[in-house]
Amino acid sequence: QKEVEQNSGPLSVPEGAIASLNCTYSDRVSQSFFWYRQYSGKSPELIMSIYSNGDKEDGRFTAQLNKASQYVSLLIRDSQPSDSATYLCAQKGNYGQNFVFGPGTRLSVLP
Amino acid sequence: EAGVTQSPTHLIKTRGQQATLRCSPISGHTSVYWYQQALGLGLQFLLWYDEGEERNRGNFPPRFSGRQFPNYSSELNVNALELEDSALYLCASSPWAVDSTDTQYFGPGTRLTVL
Repeated sequence: QKEVEQNSGPLSVPEGAIASLNCTYSDRVSQSFFWYRQYSGKSPELIMSIYSNGDKEDGRFTAQLNKASQYVSLLIRDSQPSDSATYLCAQKGNYGQNFVFGPGTRLSVLP
Repeated sequence: EAGVTQSPTHLIKTRGQQATLRCSPISGHTSVYWYQQALGLGLQFLLWYDEGEERNRGNFPPRFSGRQFPNYSSELNVNALELEDSALYLCASSPWAVDSTDTQYFGPGTRLTVL
């Protein structure tokens, strides 16, 4: 059974610091990985997707994928209190396989 | 471009009743996914529809069912409601893709409360 694991947190970082969120997965054939942000009571919103090994940067966010070690991470630079949310990691294999979400990591950015 | 829409926003039912939740995907998306998220918990996969067919089903009892219409909209039906069915029900859509690069986009959710 495919699994995606994340530390539930809460992960607390001071404002302006780098927040590092990690995710490990069990399915070696997984091809695509996604990070979603979910504010309390709201629906998840896509932050980034990553398909290839290495880093992918978008503004203050950097996703890192290491398929050999089966982990994917999300770095948030210059963290802001508005970044306080639950971050969900998701994986997907090829067509015919549905998405698998991790339980999420709660991030708290302290002013 | 309009996003995923869901209706109703809130739904209050009593135990034993039936609930029907509706979802319209982003234009051009053929896949619709349903998730249940109980308060404080993670996303639990319910159902996946693509091109009108059920592609996969999560570990939920048969009283959770749904369908996808020719216009790719979808509805989720929950029969014989139980108190523990109270949750946020999320719908997501993605485009059809041969490879794995399709991405899910979520609607705002329907908050179901069972009294």
